[in-house]
Amino acid sequence: EAQVTQNPRYLITVTGKKLTVTCSQNMNHEYMSWYRQDPGLGLRQIYYSMNVEVTDKGDVPEGYKVSRKEKRNFPLILESPSPNQTSLYFCASSPPGQGPYNEQFFGPGTRLTVL
Amino acid sequence: AQSVTQLDSQVPVFEEAPVELRCNYSSSVSVYLFWYVQYPNQGLQLLLKYLSGSTLVESINGFEAEFNKSQTSFHLRKPSVHISDTAEYFCAVSRYNFNKFYFGSGTKLNVKP
Repeated sequence: EAQVTQNPRYLITVTGKKLTVTCSQNMNHEYMSWYRQDPGLGLRQIYYSMNVEVTDKGDVPEGYKVSRKEKRNFPLILESPSPNQTSLYFCASSPPGQGPYNEQFFGPGTRLTVL
Repeated sequence: AQSVTQLDSQVPVFEEAPVELRCNYSSSVSVYLFWYVQYPNQGLQLLLKYLSGSTLVESINGFEAEFNKSQTSFHLRKPSVHISDTAEYFCAVSRYNFNKFYFGSGTKLNVKP
């Protein structure tokens, strides 16, 4: 089944404890992206990647890191999480050669709480 | 930076009534416009998109949206809603040769029996 998977789905952690949220897609998509969803603010783009080893900042990259060593994986790293990073996180991917111009396929989301 | 404005945070409507969800965007340059839908406790799914060509685009489940360049709007409409349309709807925009993606704040459509 074609899909975007995220792990974990739920995470409660404490301030300053490094964490990684994994994202994987099995559709051979080149474009991948991370978003955070907050009530009243919609989705805001954190980072995106056009292809392996090519990443760039979205609108709200502060406090986050990403890497794209393989085409299928795009992990999101919070090296020192803070309470203002409590949010619902979505990973998405898009078909080859089309960047964000076409349909993005979203993962199920990761609900992160930082105490 | 782009901005996307969804004027209504919540829209209550009775079943079989028409509905319009409003979306305005900031840029007048070449844009790509999208509506995504999020059902409770799920990720987002593409509802419809405008890339070029006809300014009226339709989805398979009866929604339509019209690209209005002069008013920088991309409102979503459905002539008769169903209970199953209850969800949150997000308008989104990207630009030609520009790899970022911008979402509006979302409109919760609540269809009542």
